[in-house]
Amino acid sequence: GAVVSQHPSWVICKSGTSVKIECRSLDFQATTMFWYRQFPKQSLMLMATSNEGSKATYEQGVEKDKFLINHASLTLSTLTVTSAHPEDSSFYICSGLSGRLGEKLFFGSGTQLSVL
Amino acid sequence: GNSVTQMEGPVTLSEEAFLTINCTYTATGYPSLFWYVQYPGEGLQLLLKATKADDKGSNKGFEATYRKETTSFHLEKGSVQVSDSAVYFCALSDRDYKLSFGAGTTVTVRA
Repeated sequence: GAVVSQHPSWVICKSGTSVKIECRSLDFQATTMFWYRQFPKQSLMLMATSNEGSKATYEQGVEKDKFLINHASLTLSTLTVTSAHPEDSSFYICSGLSGRLGEKLFFGSGTQLSVL
Repeated sequence: GNSVTQMEGPVTLSEEAFLTINCTYTATGYPSLFWYVQYPGEGLQLLLKATKADDKGSNKGFEATYRKETTSFHLEKGSVQVSDSAVYFCALSDRDYKLSFGAGTTVTVRA
């Protein structure tokens, strides 16, 4: 089946630094990419939706200046956590929507971010 | 708003045991319901889905029935295998492919 490659799988960074997470759709074009995060023992929560070539749409309560999303091509979307703080420590996962493959969603394997 | 509540884990079973993971939801409108599975080191994969009341989704021996009267979508499998060890997520969607997930249930099957 279709694959979304998400990197890195885990990252530890110091408070105040920025971290970039990449999601690549390897064998399909993702017209839309969804970004989710999950805090321990809580649900995966939608953060934002991005369409190729346009600005991302953020869910209520998600700071767009802190979580920068770039979807410059149909096969690559990135999430940059800027000036990370310990409360940003979470599991982040992306999901690409393929129109060609019958409007199906394909998920990355997730990134565990720990901010010290 | 939409929300999904699923049984907390972890769940540990022996091979060939019966598995059930409870899932209930709150939604406006008529959502579609899903179960996703995440095997170690892999992305979430769609396991099964149901798009309307009384629909039964099934795949790989797993089943779940969309129960509107109880707002539930419980996952069941009659005889689990070690290869079923994974994290299972219940989810719903009522618009634009945006999913609302439960917290996930970790299932470990022992040989």
